[in-house]
Amino acid sequence: GESVGLHLPTLSVQEGDNSIINCAYSNSASDYFIWYKQESGKGPQFIIDIRSNMDKRQGQRVTVLLNKTVKHLSLQIAATQPGDSAVYFCAENKSQAGTALIFGKGTTLSVSS
Amino acid sequence: EPEVTQTPSHQVTQMGQEVILRCVPISNHLYFYWYRQILGQKVEFLVSFYNNEISEKSEIFDDQFSVERPDGSNFTLKIRSTKLEDSAMYFCASSNRRGNQPQHFGDGTRLSIL
Repeated sequence: GESVGLHLPTLSVQEGDNSIINCAYSNSASDYFIWYKQESGKGPQFIIDIRSNMDKRQGQRVTVLLNKTVKHLSLQIAATQPGDSAVYFCAENKSQAGTALIFGKGTTLSVSS
Repeated sequence: EPEVTQTPSHQVTQMGQEVILRCVPISNHLYFYWYRQILGQKVEFLVSFYNNEISEKSEIFDDQFSVERPDGSNFTLKIRSTKLEDSAMYFCASSNRRGNQPQHFGDGTRLSIL
């Protein structure tokens, strides 16, 4: 079936490094993508989103890149901090089909100081 | 910042019993959702709700599940006869538009079926 997945289940970085979390999606009809951060015991927290008519979007310390040619999504976190340690999920939506977000499996980011 | 709130944070129920999970979405949002996350797995869509009716549901959302907006602020998920495999985190989310908008999640209810 069609689904969103992540390349690596875990990523360990040093404080101050830049982090890159990757996601591959298989549904070429998806037109909206979103990154969530989930800390232990909490719900998914919105980080940044991007629509399929864009290939890059920047937020505060975060950048999302979308490559529709290879169906790849990435989240870049600049100057990673210990507070960034969490599980990161990408999710996709095909807006014409409905509102359901399809989540990937998640990447656990561990930041050591 | 407005947030989605869910109660209870943890619900323990005997198999076969009915359970109601409660959510208060963000006040100006019009679209409401339930998702679940089995321990260690990805978040799965259950149902979306708009204008007092279900707009979309997944295969997981079978006849044992129902949703309701009993008043202007609450949004509930009912599981009529719980099974062991219903044990999971259940997340409520809301958004102010249908598509291309982030859905904002609550911190979930951990449902444990004994």
